[in-house]
Amino acid sequence: LAKTTQPISMDSYEGQEVNITCSHNNIATNDYITWYQQFPSQGPRFIIQGYKTKVTNEVASLFIPADRKSSTLSLPRVSLSDTAVYYCLVGDTGGGNKLTFGTGTQLKVEL
Amino acid sequence: EAGVAQSPRYKIIEKRQSVAFWCNPISGHATLYWYQQILGQGPKLLIQFQNNGVVDDSQLPKDRFSAERLKGVDSTLKIQPAKLEDSAVYLCASSYRPNTDTQYFGPGTRLTVL
Repeated sequence: LAKTTQPISMDSYEGQEVNITCSHNNIATNDYITWYQQFPSQGPRFIIQGYKTKVTNEVASLFIPADRKSSTLSLPRVSLSDTAVYYCLVGDTGGGNKLTFGTGTQLKVEL
Repeated sequence: EAGVAQSPRYKIIEKRQSVAFWCNPISGHATLYWYQQILGQGPKLLIQFQNNGVVDDSQLPKDRFSAERLKGVDSTLKIQPAKLEDSAVYLCASSYRPNTDTQYFGPGTRLTVL
C-alpha cells in the first residue's frame, strides 16, 4: 500500500488560499492521487483527482510535481464552510494498490 | 440522482449482542464498499464487493463480522457478537467501477457498544 503523510491540522482565515501538501514517496507508476473532504457526521466527499502536473476543477486545484512523490491540494479563498478533514489517497486503477485513507488534515477556517 | 442510503443512522447495543446495517448504493454502481471509521481516524476499508462477489475482505474481522450483497445491489453488514471496540461509524460507499473511480459515501451508521 502506498503510504501518505499529511499535516495533522492547519488553520486559516476566510478569503485566504490554503495549500495542503501530501507526501507519497513510494507512489507507483499506475497510481493516481485523490483527495476527499469530510465534514463531521458525514461520509467523505470526492474533491479532485490527478496523475501528474496540474488539475483544476470548480472547487480546487491539485499540483503534482514531475517526480510525483508529493502533491498539493489548493483551496482558493476558503470560507468557514471549508472547515473539514481533508484526505489524500494514492491508488491504482487495476486494484494492485488500493485507495487507503490516512488520518487526514483537519482544516479550521476562522473569520 | 439519489445518493447512497444507509440505515439505521444510529444504533446502541450491549456488548455480545448482534447488529446489522443496511446499504443501498447508487443505481448502476457495481462496486460497493463498507468502511469502519473510529473517532479521530480515517475510514478503514472492511470489505469491497464487485457486483455480488467479494473483491477484498482482508481487513474484515471474519470471526465476528460478515457481509453480503445479494443480487449485486443492496448490502448488509453484520456484527455478531459485538465488542466495545466496534464502536465506530460504519460507512457504505459505491462507485461505478472499482479503485480510482469516485466513491460516493452514505451518511453512515453510528454504532455505540456499551
